[in-house]
Amino acid sequence: EVQLVESGGGLVQPGRSLRLSCVASGFTFDDYAMHWVRQAPGEGLEWVSGISWNSVDIAYADSVKGRFTISRDAAKNSLYLQMNSLRPEDTALYYCAKSARLYYYGMDVWGQGTTVTVSS
Amino acid sequence: NFMLTQPHSVSESPGKTVTISCTRSSGSIAGNYVQWYQQRPGSAPTTVIYEDKKRPSGVPNRFSGSIDRSSNSASLTISGLKTEDEADYYCQSYDSNVHRVFGGGTKLTVL
Repeated sequence: EVQLVESGGGLVQPGRSLRLSCVASGFTFDDYAMHWVRQAPGEGLEWVSGISWNSVDIAYADSVKGRFTISRDAAKNSLYLQMNSLRPEDTALYYCAKSARLYYYGMDVWGQGTTVTVSS
Repeated sequence: NFMLTQPHSVSESPGKTVTISCTRSSGSIAGNYVQWYQQRPGSAPTTVIYEDKKRPSGVPNRFSGSIDRSSNSASLTISGLKTEDEADYYCQSYDSNVHRVFGGGTKLTVL
């Protein structure tokens, strides 16, 4: 079964850091670009960051550029998101998503999400 | 960078047809494929349309996608509406190898 499982969310004070992880299983992790997408409470989906299969191409939303860093570890079938200088507006459910097999520019598998709450 | 704009909400009766638009702010809508996702409360999104008009296996043919160059928009049309279609719908495109863009989402109410 193709699966993505996120972890690492929690309650954190503004200005602090948090590292999210996403473990992939059921597919060849190395073959696919991966993404982080977040959803603030009651709001829509917001793409956060993406990384190519070989980590050569990396991109960030303007809202997180300079504060968040995406990375991946093929040996551990894992995707990461290092989040620094967190702000209350970063509060959201963070999804890990896999680039689709049939349509590279979309996403066909999503995790269940991990919740990040930034509050003092 | 560009933005994708969707109506905040639409509503229609069971059995009817509804269309949700997704307007690209700059650049051609035809230049980059558009996907559509359905998200039910408490669940992760699932794809209903990819590459403008293709349906993943398992998605009923009541769902269709199209693009309109004149309005620089993509559209998701759902015919024969069912109560189970009530959900949030998001369009999504891209502007580089790994940079993605989502529309703001449309809440579909089937009443």
